[in-house]
Amino acid sequence: DIQMTQSPSSLSASVGDRVTITCRASQSIGGYLNWFQQKPGKAPKLLIFAVSSLQSGVPSRFSGGGSGTEFTLSISSLQPEDFATYYCQQSFITPFTFGPGTKVDIK
Amino acid sequence: EVQLMESGGGLVQPGRSLRVSCTASGFTFGDYALSWFRQAPGKGLEWVGFIRSKAYGGTTEYAASVKGRFTFSRDDSKTIAYLQMNSLQTEDTAVYYCTRGEVPAAYAFDIWGQGTMVTVSS
Repeated sequence: DIQMTQSPSSLSASVGDRVTITCRASQSIGGYLNWFQQKPGKAPKLLIFAVSSLQSGVPSRFSGGGSGTEFTLSISSLQPEDFATYYCQQSFITPFTFGPGTKVDIK
Repeated sequence: EVQLMESGGGLVQPGRSLRVSCTASGFTFGDYALSWFRQAPGKGLEWVGFIRSKAYGGTTEYAASVKGRFTFSRDDSKTIAYLQMNSLQTEDTAVYYCTRGEVPAAYAFDIWGQGTMVTVSS
């Protein structure tokens, strides 16, 4: 199975900050990397698929990049509604594994 | 309104069975694969697997942790997908979610149910 790791595991930031989360895969996954946001007690929400494609309705302050085994999710100017846990996921080959998550909370 | 709704969760003893449903509305259910995910209390997300549409043979893929115990099925006439869980273990305790699609894309993984809690305990 492909192992996914994320760093940092948590971070504290202020409204307006730029935030970057890194995701690494144990082998090359091409462009099959997705990002989800999850708030407590809620279903996950797809933010970005295929490395950098923004899901409909997702604000443009979210962006994704990377290739091969290293990927990033950036939030250009953190908003109050962005405090949540973020997960990367590979959909290159089953089982479609997730990273352990990065919790973003208020500084 | 386009939506998915899970139901059927509850408390079940180890070794017993439970069937969870995912009911769809507002879109052409038969055109989509259905994926299942779960999240144990306080833990991260886990992919459980998917069932493809009839156009793609209705084939299935399962996570190793559930293969041989869990079975996906679908009734396109009722717009319902099912997750049959047999030989349940305490490690299967989780919130179970369904979403449309096989992999994330523009019109996939965009709609999620609210989740249904399955608790396996004696």
